[in-house]
Amino acid sequence: DTEVTQTPKHLVMGMTNKKSLKCEQHMGHRAMYWYKQKAKKPPELMFVYSYEKLSINESVPSRFSPECPNSSLLNLHLHALQPEDSALYLCASGPTSLANYGYTFGSGTRLTVV
Amino acid sequence: AQTVTQSQPEMSVQEAETVTLSCTYDTSESDYYLFWYKQPPSRQMILVIRQEAYKQQNATENRFSVNFQKAAKSFSLKISDSQLGDAAMYFCAYRTPGNQFYFGTGTSLTVIP
Repeated sequence: DTEVTQTPKHLVMGMTNKKSLKCEQHMGHRAMYWYKQKAKKPPELMFVYSYEKLSINESVPSRFSPECPNSSLLNLHLHALQPEDSALYLCASGPTSLANYGYTFGSGTRLTVV
Repeated sequence: AQTVTQSQPEMSVQEAETVTLSCTYDTSESDYYLFWYKQPPSRQMILVIRQEAYKQQNATENRFSVNFQKAAKSFSLKISDSQLGDAAMYFCAYRTPGNQFYFGTGTSLTVIP
């Protein structure tokens, strides 16, 4: 299995809703990442998990809450989002020990906040 | 801080022709890794080619090759025999040994039939 699977593919939520994005990989990677991408822009790093521990938080607002329940799963819990949080959310994974190895990305969740 | 710059927001190429996408980066590190990613309308980020900074030989993957100039901090991507399926956003990326990725601003490539 050489894929990163993200669900759902599309999500529309109100500003008072609570929802979660899910990311799963079975490649044995021990580093997992959340990125936010606006249209025609590069992905922006949000969080990095290494060995299931949060190692980087790029000053992301607390309305985004990541969770890594095990080495294969990464969640992003969403609460009280704003319309400007509408974007493509990409998950990626990679080995921690091979820096010449590029990430493997999922196909993303297109989030719309109304 | 590391920065990655792609100076061409949009490029176009005739089918079967060759196109070169530019990328420059700024770093004080001596050991790092460079990548080109492709993002078609399907949204999936796909790794195209990678280059280790300590290797002088330019990487090649089928129709894709790079021109890596370490002293100039330049990392351009050459696509030969362009195909319609090459149309996409292309992102240059820099990775530190500490596991952080920095992406360039992207180049939108159009392939003209």
